[in-house]
Formats: sequence, structure tokens, C-alpha cells
Amino acid sequence: GAVVSQHPSRVICKSGTSVKIECRSLDFQATTMFWYRQFPKQSLMLMATSNEGSKATYEQGVEKDKFLINHASLTLSTLTVTSAHPEDSSFYICSVYGPTGNTEAFFGQGTRLTVV
Amino acid sequence: TQLLEQSPQFLSIQEGENLTVYCNSSSVFSSLQWYRQEPGEGPVLLVTVVTGGEVKKLKRLTFQFGDARKDSSLHITAAQPGDTGLYLCAGRTGGFKTIFGAGTRLFVKA
Repeated sequence: GAVVSQHPSRVICKSGTSVKIECRSLDFQATTMFWYRQFPKQSLMLMATSNEGSKATYEQGVEKDKFLINHASLTLSTLTVTSAHPEDSSFYICSVYGPTGNTEAFFGQGTRLTVV
Repeated sequence: TQLLEQSPQFLSIQEGENLTVYCNSSSVFSSLQWYRQEPGEGPVLLVTVVTGGEVKKLKRLTFQFGDARKDSSLHITAAQPGDTGLYLCAGRTGGFKTIFGAGTRLFVKA
């Protein structure tokens, strides 16, 4: 399967600051990456689709100005949580589809964001 | 909107018992995946089912895809404490996205 690396794994920031999370596809080029958010004891909710070289596609209810996505290269997508508030505290996970068949998604290890 | 309904959402059983988790939808999926997630980590793929009626086995885990490709099940035989975790079904939509069921939190007591 595809190897996806996410960084940082944990971050604590103050309210009002911005935090950048990186997602890297290590063993193949990914024109599309996906960002999910997971609250405690809940499932994954798709936030947006990151498209290399073009604007991200956001799911309904996700503020694009709050969650900035940049997919500047075929191996890197970044999610920036701007002006973070405590309610943004969550587990953020990125994924890519594998290089063969594009059938299943492979996930990064996730980033635990805590806004204090 | 395509939804995946997963049940049960929580299951606590004794070691050695069998269990089945269900994933249902009113929509047809090109494929369904089952993932397992540990706390603080990303989901790890267990299996992908693609063909209606397909059955796949992974040691004590048996996965089945419904004939109409709208539902799937995960059966665990003789559960062990190491099976404890969050099990997620996911479907690849025709529109390229992967959506998830609510998840089943399994706790196997020794």
C-alpha cells in the first residue's frame, strides 16, 4: 500500500494562532489528497479534496478561509488551520488513493491539534 | 447524499466470542473497505471488496460484500483482546471520494 506521512503528530497552539499540517505521499505522486477531521469517539468526516495545481474542493459546511489547503507539489499537501479556536481541536487525517487501481485510501498517522 | 450506516456502534464481548459488524447503504458502491483504527493513529486498511457477493478472509476475520454492492459485513471468530479497536467501513463513491460509516468500537475482555 501507499505510504503517507503526516507531520506533526501532535500540536498545541494558542487561540488565534495558525497551525500548518503537512501530508506527504512518500512512494508515489498523488495528484489528489483528502483531508479528514475526527472528533473523539466519532468517525472520519471528509473536509476537503486537495488537488495538485488547483484549488481545493471543500465539503459542505467546511469554511475554506478557515482551513486553507495548498497542494503545491505531487507529493505534498498542507492544511493550515487559521485563527484557531478551542473548537478546532480535533484529530486531522490526510489520505491518498493507492497507485494501483485507485480503489482504497491510505491514511497518514494523523495530527492531534489542541487549541488552548 | 450517500451514507453508510454501521452497526453496532459499540460492542463489548468476552475473549473467544464471535461477532459481526454490519455496514449498510441505500447506494451502490464501486468498492467497500474495512479499516481498523487505534487511538491516536490513522486508519489502517484491512480489506477491500469489489465484486458483489465477494467473501474475503483475513485470519479470523471474514469480510463479505453484498450481492447488490450496497452492504458489507465483518465477522470475527474467537475474538481476542488484540482485536480491540475502532472498525470503520468506507465506501468509494462514484464521485471519487471515500466516505465512512460511524464506526464500531470493539472491546474484547480477557
